[in-house]
Amino acid sequence: QKEVEQDPGPLSVPEGAIVSLNCTYSNSAFQYFMWYRQYSRKGPELLMYTYSSGNKEDGRFTAQVDKSSKYISLFIRDSQPSDSATYLCARGGANSKLTFGKGITLSVRP
Amino acid sequence: DTAVSQTPKYLVTQMGNDKSIKCEQNLGHDTMYWYKQDSKKFLKIMFSYNNKELIINETVPNRFSPKSPDKAHLNLHINSLELGDSAVYFCASSQDKAPGGYTFGSGTRLTVV
Repeated sequence: QKEVEQDPGPLSVPEGAIVSLNCTYSNSAFQYFMWYRQYSRKGPELLMYTYSSGNKEDGRFTAQVDKSSKYISLFIRDSQPSDSATYLCARGGANSKLTFGKGITLSVRP
Repeated sequence: DTAVSQTPKYLVTQMGNDKSIKCEQNLGHDTMYWYKQDSKKFLKIMFSYNNKELIINETVPNRFSPKSPDKAHLNLHINSLELGDSAVYFCASSQDKAPGGYTFGSGTRLTVV
């Protein structure tokens, strides 16, 4: 079983839609989680990170962690064409090592 | 002012050649990393260095050799390049003991022909 599994894509939604991106993880030893956004031909950039269960909100983005079911989600409200990118979930581990999911490519249609 | 800069941005080379990729960060971070991203966008760690000391060495062929002359630089040398080495290589840095995430460079797109 891979350490971080991410829902496969690609995903295409109309502008204004609510987007839900999901990952599961297998190792509960380490407790911090992140979402990165990667535009085409660019490096990933940190979007959100969280240490604990529950929700964390930043503008149109909400990160949710459910440690009991080992589930992490990213919600995007009022999605915009500029949100079109690849989204990667990641789990923090020993020695600051991040283990990434495979990424999902999101396309927001105007 | 680029925080994590990699050179070159693109590299096209023949099988069997030896090549190097350089990375520099001006964030004052303690830890630097090399990640490989394949054609399906899967990002996998290769190496990490903390203050010039090798910390993580994943199962990477020994044709790949990282070198960190100081904590702001981490280079990657690849010997005897193979077709399967074609990928995008990302350098990243982070602040030790503050797992708030990495800052990535913009990547080096390596194509082996």
